[in-house]
Amino acid sequence: DTGVSQNPRHKITKRGQNVTFRCDPISEHNRLYWYRQTLGQGPEFLTYFQNEAQLEKSRLLSDRFSAERPKGSFSTLEIQRTEQGDSAMYLCASSLATGGYGYTFGSGTRLTVV
Amino acid sequence: AQSVTQLGSHVSVSEGALVLLRCNYSSSVPPYLFWYVQYPNQGLQLLLKYTSAATLVKGINGFEAEFKKSETSFHLTKPSAHMSDAAEYFCAVSDGDNYGQNFVFGPGTRLSVLP
Repeated sequence: DTGVSQNPRHKITKRGQNVTFRCDPISEHNRLYWYRQTLGQGPEFLTYFQNEAQLEKSRLLSDRFSAERPKGSFSTLEIQRTEQGDSAMYLCASSLATGGYGYTFGSGTRLTVV
Repeated sequence: AQSVTQLGSHVSVSEGALVLLRCNYSSSVPPYLFWYVQYPNQGLQLLLKYTSAATLVKGINGFEAEFKKSETSFHLTKPSAHMSDAAEYFCAVSDGDNYGQNFVFGPGTRLSVLP
């Protein structure tokens, strides 16, 4: 297992376009998380899944954002009608369901909206 | 709800000097505490974690951290800084359920190592 994989690594898009990111977690991890990180800040929680169920969403996740994990394996995060304020690093992480083990992060997708 | 403060957004040390990065937390329950490191344009890598076992925790790359309940602190130290330690460091706290908004990151401290 090569860890958590995110694609693409970088995405530049024009304002108003839709973008989709993919995350492949560690195979035995049943929890998957999405975070957003802006320059000079710590990661901010967006949403998480346990298997295919989306169990929690942050208020940061506006209705332009949608995340799916259809078969409990990989996940996608879609942003519709992108805005310049969406420019950030989008991080995916996975973990086991039992507490205290921390997360394993992917390398992130850096989104730039021009 | 948990929260984390990291004193000093930027810390500079000379190569070979002691590294001390500060982290204070608040939690209504016994916390689980973590330090992550992030190199430029990379994801976060777990350095070490405290999960209610030994209060002095040793991590990778020679780092360690001590959980002090009375001070609600979990400061990160390394006896001798190396140039390769230059990165952003994040402290995080969870209430043990380890999910969602219960897993909170601090704002980060950028460590510079001077030759």
